[in-house]
Order: sequence, then structure tokens, then C-alpha cells
Amino acid sequence: DTEVTQTPKHLVMGMTNKKSLKCEQHMGHRAMYWYKQKAKKPPELMFVYSYEKLSINESVPSRFSPECPNSSLLNLHLHALQPEDSALYLCASSQEKREAYEQYFGPGTRLTVT
Amino acid sequence: QKEVEQNSGPLSVPEGAIASLNCTYSDRVSQSFFWYRQYSGKSPELIMSIYSNGDKEDGRFTAQLNKASQYVSLLIRDSQPSDSATYLCAVPSNAGGTSYGKLTFGQGTILTVHP
Repeated sequence: DTEVTQTPKHLVMGMTNKKSLKCEQHMGHRAMYWYKQKAKKPPELMFVYSYEKLSINESVPSRFSPECPNSSLLNLHLHALQPEDSALYLCASSQEKREAYEQYFGPGTRLTVT
Repeated sequence: QKEVEQNSGPLSVPEGAIASLNCTYSDRVSQSFFWYRQYSGKSPELIMSIYSNGDKEDGRFTAQLNKASQYVSLLIRDSQPSDSATYLCAVPSNAGGTSYGKLTFGQGTILTVHP
């Protein structure tokens, strides 16, 4: 069983909606990540949080707003999305040690923007 | 040159054969390398990590690393139809000198194991 959980599994939203994706990890990791994956492409990094602070923003449009309420939780707030934002959104977590970069992914949220 | 390149595939092997997946990377200072398996419609699953030159075996999977040649491979012995998936090679980079890894993925190799 995955120790990174994501909700919801599927989400359909209109371009004027506001919604949030949620991620929770139970591995004691202090780094958490959001990725976006389009069909037949590898995951693309969006954001990285380290010790609950935003460390990397890969020039993601402001209609995506991440939040890390505590070390186990990661949210991605969505507002005024475009149809091209439809994708699989993946959350991942890892330790903070240089020798342990293994990232473990949650099951993902399949987002469709209509 | 792309940072992480994989043999494009798709790769088709018969059941019971050895599947060989290859990956080259451009960052000479990379120290760790990962293989993920992704079934269609699912999320990536970490199946192998390798940090030192040489071979690392885990069940039917063997990862091979050659840092001098900047090459990492994954061998799957006794391939099964359930191994049919996309295999992603990933290499972390020290983003801004921080201790965690920003993963750069290869484009993936689609493996089909036919009965």
C-alpha cells in the first residue's frame, strides 16, 4: 500500500471553478513535491516544499497555488484553470538526506478542465 | 543534449526473456539513479535505486551503473506479462545546493512482454 495518499482520485472542473488537491504522507519525510504529467510524457516538477517552506517553483502559472500546512500535508489550490491544464497531478515525498533522494509517489489526481 | 536519455522503444520481449532498458545522463556529478515503473493510468512506482558503480540486484531486477560512461541500465530477468509498463529513469540534481533532489526523468521506455 502506498504511504502517500491523494484526494480526490478524479476531478472535473470548469474554468471558473476553484478546487483543491490534497496530499498526505505518513513516512516522516520532510520534502514534498507536486508534479504534473501529461499523457505519454514523464512527470514534470511543479513545486518543492522542504520543511514546510516552498523551495522550488518551476515557473508555474499563478492559477496553481501550493500550500503546506504541516510536514505531512500538501495542498494544491486551483483557480481559473485552462483546458490544457488537464493532466495527472502527482504528489511525492522524500527524505532530506543527500544519500536518500528516493521519491515516493501518491496515486495521483486525474484532473479534467472543461 | 537532453539531461537524461532512454532508449526510445517500444521494447517487446517474449515471456521468460531478459529485458534490457538503458539510460544515459549528462550531469557528471550525479550520485544517485532511480528506476520507476509506471503502469498505464497509474502513478510511478520506485523499483530500483543505485548509488555505486557496478550491479545491484533485487529479485528479477538488476540495475547496472557505470559513472565513467554516464550510463545506467535495468535488466529484468524472466520477464512476465505483468512487467509490461513504462519504465522511467530518473536522476536527481542538487537544486540550488539543497540536500534533496529535483528529479529529471527520461522520456520513458514502453516495455511489452508477450506470452
